[in-house]
Amino acid sequence: GENVEQHPSTLSVQEGDSAVIKCTYSDSASNYFPWYKQELGKRPQLIIDIRSNVGEKKDQRIAVTLNKTAKHFSLHITETQPEDSAVYFCAASTTGTASKLTFGTGTRLQVTL
Amino acid sequence: SAVISQKPSRDICQRGTSLTIQCQVDSQVTMMFWYRQQPGQSLTLIATANQGSEATYESGFVIDKFPISRPNLTFSTLTVSNMSPEDSSIYLCSVEGGAWYGYTFGSGTRLTVV
Repeated sequence: GENVEQHPSTLSVQEGDSAVIKCTYSDSASNYFPWYKQELGKRPQLIIDIRSNVGEKKDQRIAVTLNKTAKHFSLHITETQPEDSAVYFCAASTTGTASKLTFGTGTRLQVTL
Repeated sequence: SAVISQKPSRDICQRGTSLTIQCQVDSQVTMMFWYRQQPGQSLTLIATANQGSEATYESGFVIDKFPISRPNLTFSTLTVSNMSPEDSSIYLCSVEGGAWYGYTFGSGTRLTVV
């Protein structure tokens, strides 16, 4: 089955700096890669996703890149703000009737003033 | 995207008892997923529930411990049976919202077994 590794487990940045979180996956059949933000006591919220026919996707301060050959994808947050502090999870899945999300281990991002 | 109502939001249960968690979706969905999130950990898929067929369980999870019902395309239940303190976790249901919306999650059930 799919295995998703995520690094780093914790990340502390100063407000205004950029943050990068990296994930690798094992199943070459995976073609959908979402990123979730989970604040304390809340449900995971989808913040951005990318599909395997695209190499990069951007939404305001958030961007995701995908390297299918190397089987890795990354989340980039620019101009970080204190409200970006949360746990971020990457995930991978195939699409179709057998689809299911496999999550990375999570990155706790702390944005300091 | 789909809106999921999950209940209860939290419960404290005695060991050896069972708890049934319910998820109601505001639209018809083919598959519903049940996850466990242990304290400070990532989300682990328990099983996939399709309407009209047996749920598909992931390695390490069995039907006797986590029976699932899926009576229609908008509703599912997960039961945590014969609970022990090790079952204390957050349990979340999830659905795929379609190509444009990805997977969305219920608000979760925080279970404490004493």
